[in-house]
Amino acid sequence: DAGVIQSPRHEVTEMGQEVTLRCKPISGHNSLFWYRQTMMRGLELLIYFNNNVPIDDSGMPEDRFSAKMPNASFSTLKIQPSEPRDSAVYFCASTTNWGYEQYFGPGTRLTVT
Amino acid sequence: KQEVTQIPAALSVPEGENLVLNCSFTDSAIYNLQWFRQDPGKGLTSLLLIQSSQREQTSGRLNASLDKSSGRSTLYIAASQPGDSATYLCAGRNSGNTPLVFGKGTRLSVIA
Repeated sequence: DAGVIQSPRHEVTEMGQEVTLRCKPISGHNSLFWYRQTMMRGLELLIYFNNNVPIDDSGMPEDRFSAKMPNASFSTLKIQPSEPRDSAVYFCASTTNWGYEQYFGPGTRLTVT
Repeated sequence: KQEVTQIPAALSVPEGENLVLNCSFTDSAIYNLQWFRQDPGKGLTSLLLIQSSQREQTSGRLNASLDKSSGRSTLYIAASQPGDSATYLCAGRNSGNTPLVFGKGTRLSVIA
């Protein structure tokens, strides 16, 4: 298995632009998680899905952030409009419903100038 | 709500030393706990996973323990090497398909 796939790996954009991050979970995994890592706050959950349904989005910073999971193989995290404080590494992870280990993608390093 | 703390934030040891990294959590109803390694600018590498029914897990020079009653987990690294230098993160969750709650990590430097 290819593991959790994220794209792009690096994104540099200007303030005000729309940014879309993509994630493909491991086949057969029912739960998908979006985390954000910053120096100040460490790794924090943004949102997670079970069976494609959003369960908890309380970690989403504000309405500029939105996430979708249209099917079991694909999820997006969108920021519109982006701001410099959104600069961080965004990780996607997946696991099965009985969830032993969470498997993480390589992350997307976002820089907003 | 589960909270995870790692102390110290940074640790420097000479090569060859055995060392212990500490992780504490607030909710004893923890389902499992994972230890990760993160190199600068890189992603997360899963090292060990301990289920709530287990007391410890071992992989090579690494041994992780879990004590739910005291709310503590430790990661023991034997005969440390410069290549072990990285940030070590612990993360716990309270059921199988819920999010991990991460500590802030311990940045380890092993000096040759």
